[in-house]
Amino acid sequence: AQSVTQLDSHVSVSEGTPVLLRCNYSSSYSPSLFWYVQHPNKGLQLLLKYTSAATLVKGINGFEAEFKKSETSFHLTKPSAHMSDAAEYFCVVRWTDKLIFGTGTRLQVFP
Amino acid sequence: NAGVTQTPKFRVLKTGQSMTLLCAQDMNHEYMYWYRQDPGMGLRLIHYSVGEGTTAKGEVPDGYNVSRLKKQNFLLGLESAAPSQTSVYFCASSNPTGTYNEQFFGPGTRLTVL
Repeated sequence: AQSVTQLDSHVSVSEGTPVLLRCNYSSSYSPSLFWYVQHPNKGLQLLLKYTSAATLVKGINGFEAEFKKSETSFHLTKPSAHMSDAAEYFCVVRWTDKLIFGTGTRLQVFP
Repeated sequence: NAGVTQTPKFRVLKTGQSMTLLCAQDMNHEYMYWYRQDPGMGLRLIHYSVGEGTTAKGEVPDGYNVSRLKKQNFLLGLESAAPSQTSVYFCASSNPTGTYNEQFFGPGTRLTVL
């Protein structure tokens, strides 16, 4: 079975500083991994996906994630946070036809 | 395209009442899913369907039933609501193409059971 662990339930940054949201995965084979974002009172939107084509994946709104097999990690980063990045972020692994969600990381951005 | 829509957006029930949540998608997707989201627990899969007329149990199916009579619609039913079913419910749809299975989500239904 597959699983993901999001290491921080809350992350706070100042506007203009880097963002790091950490995710470790457990998978018995090469996984498909995703990051989704959920803005307050909204549905989920796909940020980016890893499907083994390239280890560094670029997503929307300046986010990117690096797949590191040796560390079983898929951390989400952004060089400079914007106020509009404040949201909840979910690391997700695909298992057969289903998605397994992490528990989420709430990102706060202070002016 | 409207994408994935959910009806209703909000609902308050009393314990023991029944209701049906409707999910509709206009992307001709084969797969549809129902999730519930609770604080600190991410999204958990309730039931899913890989095609018209087929359904399967997910991680937390107890207390829910589903039907997929038409490809574009996926209904989630609560026969006898309980306070533990207070949650935000999300529907999603996808097509099983390529090596990944991007799911498109609806805006959610906030259900409170008193």
